[in-house]
Amino acid sequence: DTGVSQDPRHKITKRGQNVTFRCDPISEHNRLYWYRQTLGQGPEFLTYFQNEAQLEKSRLLSDRFSAERPKGSFSTLEIQRTEQGDSAMYLCASSLEGRVQPQHFGDGTRLSIL
Amino acid sequence: GDSVTQMEGPVTLSEEAFLTINCTYTATGYPSLFWYVQYPGEGLQLLLKATKADDKGSNKGFEATYRKETTSFHLEKGSVQVSDSAVYFCALPQGGSEKLVFGKGTKLTVNP
Repeated sequence: DTGVSQDPRHKITKRGQNVTFRCDPISEHNRLYWYRQTLGQGPEFLTYFQNEAQLEKSRLLSDRFSAERPKGSFSTLEIQRTEQGDSAMYLCASSLEGRVQPQHFGDGTRLSIL
Repeated sequence: GDSVTQMEGPVTLSEEAFLTINCTYTATGYPSLFWYVQYPGEGLQLLLKATKADDKGSNKGFEATYRKETTSFHLEKGSVQVSDSAVYFCALPQGGSEKLVFGKGTKLTVNP
């Protein structure tokens, strides 16, 4: 069990640029989640996948955000035309199927918009 | 909708002091309840969980009991260490979905 891996750990970019983050879940986990965490707050749900299917998206996920999990393994989260308000920690988690199954989190990607 | 209310921080304690961090919840039905811990610069780690009423979750000296009567899941530790300094989050799955809803977090600082 190598844990959930996220890349990059930090991303600094100028407003208006596109960014893409990658998440590699724990290998046997079929569920993958994305959350966003701003300073001093708890994580907020963005979206989740079961295998390759995106099953739920938050209203926080504007049309500038897109997430994929093409082969049911790793996932990418892309933000187009970044804005200052996108600065946050983006956390990925994975779990086995079932509501009592805990979600295991990666260390996150910290995005800073200049 | 389902929600979690956590005790406001920050909390500062001396080493070996007793810790309580309060968490109350509002939910339809009886969801699983979780405590996560976040060390500086890292993601969240599952600390403990309870899946039904009166269950006690425990790990690393921390405990929390799922209290249906008071809709609470307070985190306790009898003797904190400097290494316990972190932010603690209470969470539950929002009704009918897989997404976790988190409290705002309680920052704990333990001084030697």
